Amino acid sequence: KNQVEQSPQSLIILEGKNCTLQCNYTVSPFSNLRWYKQDTGRGPVSLTIMTFSENTKSNGRYTATLDADTKQSSLHITASQLSDSASYICVVRGGGKLIFGQGTELSVKP
Amino acid sequence: NAGVTQTPKFQVLKTGQSMTLQCAQDMNHEYMSWYRQDPGMGLRLIHYSVGAGITDQGEVPNGYNVSRSTTEDFPLRLLSAAPSQTSVYFCASSYRQAATNEKLFFGSGTQLSVL
Repeated sequence: KNQVEQSPQSLIILEGKNCTLQCNYTVSPFSNLRWYKQDTGRGPVSLTIMTFSENTKSNGRYTATLDADTKQSSLHITASQLSDSASYICVVRGGGKLIFGQGTELSVKP
Repeated sequence: NAGVTQTPKFQVLKTGQSMTLQCAQDMNHEYMSWYRQDPGMGLRLIHYSVGAGITDQGEVPNGYNVSRSTTEDFPLRLLSAAPSQTSVYFCASSYRQAATNEKLFFGSGTQLSVL
């Protein structure tokens, strides 16, 4: 069964600290992996899209990694800011479909 | 560009009522879709369209209808609302579905409660 699992479910960090969110998937065939940021009360916004051949992609303070062999991805946030408080959703495209993870709720405290 | 616009932002319905959630995009996107987001679950696809006049079912289509008479608009109709349809609904669009790296643009959502 195609699945995308994210961990942790929620995370609290202090402003200025770094953090890493995890995504494991069992989607076949694999096309690409995406990370989205969803602010409270808003729709998801795309952060990165990575294909099979890409193992790192950055978008400002966000860096996503992909290990297609182990079917794992991570999203690293550097020097967190209060505005990083949001839900981060991992999405895998496979077989023409988008499979969404449940999201990791990140809270950045001052 | 406004992007993807959804209305209304909030809606409360009684069981059995019908209503239409509106979605419009001004990016000339061929592909449009509707998702629902429930607590503890990933977004689930309800219906989608790859162009004007073409629609198809997603993962959870029961109780919902769609039509695509223009490129810009993709309304979602609840035929007879049920409490199980209480959810947050998102409309999303992309230039083409077929291209694997197409970025999906989401509206800001409609929070629906069915009593």
